[in-house]
Amino acid sequence: QKEVEQNSGPLSVPEGAIASLNCTYSDRGSQSFFWYRQYSGKSPELIMFIYSNGDKEDGRFTAQLNKASQYVSLLIRDSQPSDSATYLCAVNWSSGSARQLTFGSGTQLTVLP
Amino acid sequence: DGGITQSPKYLFRKEGQNVTLSCEQNLNHDAMYWYRQDPGQGLRLIYYSQIVNDFQKGDIAEGYSVSREKKESFPLTVTSAQKNPTAFYLCASSTIAGADTQYFGPGTRLTVL
Repeated sequence: QKEVEQNSGPLSVPEGAIASLNCTYSDRGSQSFFWYRQYSGKSPELIMFIYSNGDKEDGRFTAQLNKASQYVSLLIRDSQPSDSATYLCAVNWSSGSARQLTFGSGTQLTVLP
Repeated sequence: DGGITQSPKYLFRKEGQNVTLSCEQNLNHDAMYWYRQDPGQGLRLIYYSQIVNDFQKGDIAEGYSVSREKKESFPLTVTSAQKNPTAFYLCASSTIAGADTQYFGPGTRLTVL
């Protein structure tokens, strides 16, 4: 059973602060890691993906991957109220020739004005 | 505009009734997926397809059926055998090489009356 664990929150941060979202996964063979943002009642939208150990930055977002610890995180700098959403971590794994994603249950983030 | 469309946006089903959810993509993606999301939960994979006329069961396929007669289309039927079908249904697509990032449609919210 492939498992992806996230703190469900809710996580509240003041506007302008750094929000830190964490995710652990069980399958050591996983190669690709994704962060999606989901607003209430809407479908998930991709924020970032990361394959290699270390940090990957895109604007205010930084994804961090540590495969040895089976840990991936998302940092949101200068948090805005519009960042208030549920953040889903997803981990890619292979089953024969097929690749699938396993999703965590999400962390609900609230950015307070 | 390239993207994934799902219809209807809202669907109401009487007990004992089969209903079909539509998913169409014009991204020229080979792979398509169906997920179910329950309140406060992550996404669970129902079925996926990597090629026309072939599809595989996901983690929770019981009570569901799919077809893949065209690359662009992957309809999901929720049968009367699915005892608790009320949920948010999400269709996604991806390439099967390289990044294989999954992109989501807007979703269909199914309610059993």
